[in-house]
Amino acid sequence: DIQMTQSPSSLSASVGDRVTITCRASQTISTDLNWYQQKPGKAPKVLIYAASNLQSGVPSRFSGSGSGTDFTLTISSLQPEDFATYYCQQSYSGPTFGPGTKVDI
Amino acid sequence: QVQLVQSGSELKKPGASVKLSCKTSGYTFASYGMNWVRQAPGQGLEWMGWINTNTGSPTYAQGLTGRFVFSLDTSVSTAYLQISSLKTEDTAVYYCAKSVAGNIYKMDVWGKGTTVTISS
Repeated sequence: DIQMTQSPSSLSASVGDRVTITCRASQTISTDLNWYQQKPGKAPKVLIYAASNLQSGVPSRFSGSGSGTDFTLTISSLQPEDFATYYCQQSYSGPTFGPGTKVDI
Repeated sequence: QVQLVQSGSELKKPGASVKLSCKTSGYTFASYGMNWVRQAPGQGLEWMGWINTNTGSPTYAQGLTGRFVFSLDTSVSTAYLQISSLKTEDTAVYYCAKSVAGNIYKMDVWGKGTTVTISS
C-alpha cells in the first residue's frame, strides 16, 4: 500500500493568511494526487485533482503543486469558509488518503 | 444535477447485518464507477473499494474482510453496501462517491453519508 503523510496535522490561521499544506507519498505517484476539503458533519469535496488542476467551481485562491512524492496545497488568502480539514488522496493505485490537516482560527 | 442520496442512519446490534443504499440521479449510472469510503468517529477517510457500475464487478480494498459486499440495482440507478456480522468497530459514517471518467479513484460527487452505529 502507498502511505500518505500530511503536515502539519493542524494549524491556526487568520482570515487573509496564506496557508500551505504538504502531502508526501511513500513512493512515487506521478501527479495522481487529489485534495479534498471536509467541513464538520459534511461530505468531502474535491478541490484539486491531478496535483494541480482546479476542480470546476472551486475558488482560484486554492492551488496545488508537486509531482512524484511531494505535493502542496496552498490557499492564497484564507477566507472564513475555508476553515475545515483538508485531505490529500493518491489515486495512483488502490487509493489512500492522508491523515488530514485541520485548519482553524 | 448529479445527486447521490444515501439511506438514513442505522443503529444495529453486534452480529446483525445492514444494507446501505446510494440512489443516484442526474447522470448515466453505468458510465461511472462508484466508490465507498468510511470515516470512523473523529478519524480520517478510508477507501473501502469501488464497483464497476457497467459490469457489476466489485474491487475491495486490501484488508477489507468478506463481511462487506458491494452490489447494484441498475434498474433504479442505485448502489448498495451490505455489511454482515457487524462489530462495534464498524461504527462510522459511510459515504458513496462517484468516480470521474478516466479516473476511478478521483471522486467528484459524494453522498451525504450514512451513519452506522453498532452498540449492544
